[in-house]
Amino acid sequence: AQKVTQAQTEISVVEKEDVTLDCVYETRDTTYYLFWYKQPPSGELVFLIRRNSFDEQNEISGRYSWNFQKSTSSFNFTITASQVVDSAVYFCALSDYNSGNTPLVFGKGTRLSVIA
Amino acid sequence: NAGVTQTPKFQVLKTGQSMTLQCAQDMNHEYMSWYRQDPGMGLRLIHYSVGAGITDQGEVPNGYNVSRSTTEDFPLRLLSAAPSQTSVYFCASKRRSGEQYFGPGTRLTVT
Repeated sequence: AQKVTQAQTEISVVEKEDVTLDCVYETRDTTYYLFWYKQPPSGELVFLIRRNSFDEQNEISGRYSWNFQKSTSSFNFTITASQVVDSAVYFCALSDYNSGNTPLVFGKGTRLSVIA
Repeated sequence: NAGVTQTPKFQVLKTGQSMTLQCAQDMNHEYMSWYRQDPGMGLRLIHYSVGAGITDQGEVPNGYNVSRSTTEDFPLRLLSAAPSQTSVYFCASKRRSGEQYFGPGTRLTVT
């Protein structure tokens, strides 16, 4: 069975600090997708990134970066120089690769509060 | 391209009433799903569909019905609302490559 664990329930940082959100997953599949979603206080769920298990290169998008390590089954998300607008709940998710027709498995989310 | 749309945005029901939450997507995605989100519980899958005429149960299906007559629409029916169904409901559709897109949500209160 697939499982996603986000051990950090809540994190609070001061603006401009760097922060890393942890995501550990379990799957028996050899190929799979990993995702991060953001849910700001307004409530919508926003897709941030998809990473497939073939590609272990880190990805950077502005202040956001993602570190995928297959050896430790982790897909961590780092925000550099955090801003108040980064305050949100962040969800990590996992799905199998060969079928687009199975549900995503979500972690329970990490609530990030960035204090000015 | 509107993406995933949901109606209504807010709803208050009395215990025992029935209602349908509407969900539509214009991205021609085969896969659609419904989640509920309660404080501290994350996202819990209610039902999902892999195409018109095909539905399956998720983690918390009791008290909810779905059907999928078209690719675009995936309504969620509450047959007899209960206070335990007070929640925020999200509809989603998913590309074959895996990215899932969510609707804006419906906040339901059952009194």
